[in-house]
Amino acid sequence: DGGITQSPKYLFRKEGQNVTLSCEQNLNHDAMYWYRQDPGQGLRLIYYSQIVNDFQKGDIAEGYSVSREKKESFPLTVTSAQKNPTAFYLCASGPGQAYGYTFGSGTRLTVV
Amino acid sequence: GQQVMQIPQYQHVQEGEDFTTYCNSSTTLSNIQWYKQRPGGHPVFLIQLVKSGEVKKQKRLTFQFGEAKKNSSLHITATQTTDVGTYFCAGPSIKAAGNKLTFGGGTRVLVKP
Repeated sequence: DGGITQSPKYLFRKEGQNVTLSCEQNLNHDAMYWYRQDPGQGLRLIYYSQIVNDFQKGDIAEGYSVSREKKESFPLTVTSAQKNPTAFYLCASGPGQAYGYTFGSGTRLTVV
Repeated sequence: GQQVMQIPQYQHVQEGEDFTTYCNSSTTLSNIQWYKQRPGGHPVFLIQLVKSGEVKKQKRLTFQFGEAKKNSSLHITATQTTDVGTYFCAGPSIKAAGNKLTFGGGTRVLVKP
């Protein structure tokens, strides 16, 4: 079945460490997105990519980095520069204009 | 930048009752999308509205897109316990490239049996 796979489901990070969250899709979608969700809050856009080897900053890109070397993959690195990284991270993909997103099941990141 | 607001933030509903949640954008949208997120889950796409004044129904859910394409509403009739979750509206500004969505803060629906 087609879909988006995010891993790991839960991730614990020590202060000062970089961690990378995986996002893989087999929907053949051109566009991929990373959102952050804090408890009881909406979704805020971190980065997005509309085509391989190209990506743009979203509203809260500071402290994060991404790459898009393959159409299927859009990993997100949470760097030590991100001051408050504990959150629920959601990856999504879409086929283009005027279509709904498909979301992965998310990664819950906790700083310990 | 573009802002999308949803009211109410919380909705406590008696099972069987109707309610409406509202979505307002600071900019004109090319389309409006609605998502549902169950507790502990991820957002799931429900529907998209594109035309000014458009109304769409999905069983007990009725979605409307405003004439100015800056607001939308979701009306649920005869609420059931399966309706529990957070409902998000989202839309791309007509000024934005691609399909980059700005999400509202969501309406959290709790159903009292």
